[in-house]
Amino acid sequence: NAGVTQTPKFQVLKTGQSMTLQCAQDMNHEYMSWYRQDPGMGLRLIHYSVGAGITDQGEVPNGYNVSRSTTEDFPLRLLSAAPSQTSVYFCASSYSWTPQGTDTQYFGPGTRLTVL
Amino acid sequence: GEDVEQSLFLSVREGDSSVINCTYTDSSSTYLYWYKQEPGAGLQLLTYIFSNMDMKQDQRLTVLLNKKDKHLSLRIADTQTGDSAIYFCAMGGYNKLIFGAGTRLAVHP
Repeated sequence: NAGVTQTPKFQVLKTGQSMTLQCAQDMNHEYMSWYRQDPGMGLRLIHYSVGAGITDQGEVPNGYNVSRSTTEDFPLRLLSAAPSQTSVYFCASSYSWTPQGTDTQYFGPGTRLTVL
Repeated sequence: GEDVEQSLFLSVREGDSSVINCTYTDSSSTYLYWYKQEPGAGLQLLTYIFSNMDMKQDQRLTVLLNKKDKHLSLRIADTQTGDSAIYFCAMGGYNKLIFGAGTRLAVHP
């Protein structure tokens, strides 16, 4: 298993540009999430999905869109990038909503985004 | 709203025990977690505790939960240089977590 993969690793955008951050997992996990990490702060939830076709907003959803057309992929779209969206973005996936036996949650390596 | 607070920095000597503390406001969470983040990497789930437990031990890690005071701690026995990282306390469901700001653990010889 490749685990959770994220592309790109680094990205620089200009204000107003749009882009898609990719997240994929090959573990047949139903649950996937996007978080952002800012300096001196913990991770904050942007959007999450409990299965293909089902998504919901987290704590900081403004400026971001998601869709889940397959179990494997959960892309995050920035509609019109702003400097406030400069952050490190992490995707996570798990088989269940809470710990079940040996099941655990996996995080991707992150995408570092800078918006100028 | 729910909030999770942690001290920001802890420095320990190699071989000593480390204790990282966390306080939270939401008492309805069923699970509380500890994550580790090494430089430039994603988060790794270290351990978790169910809210009806007071303590959980997993090799060098001991988690203590005081529900009355809404206090969670992570003790790392025999701390090694490889334990240097940021440790996050979190609560909720796996995919709807609320995180603390993280405690940076520095291990020195």
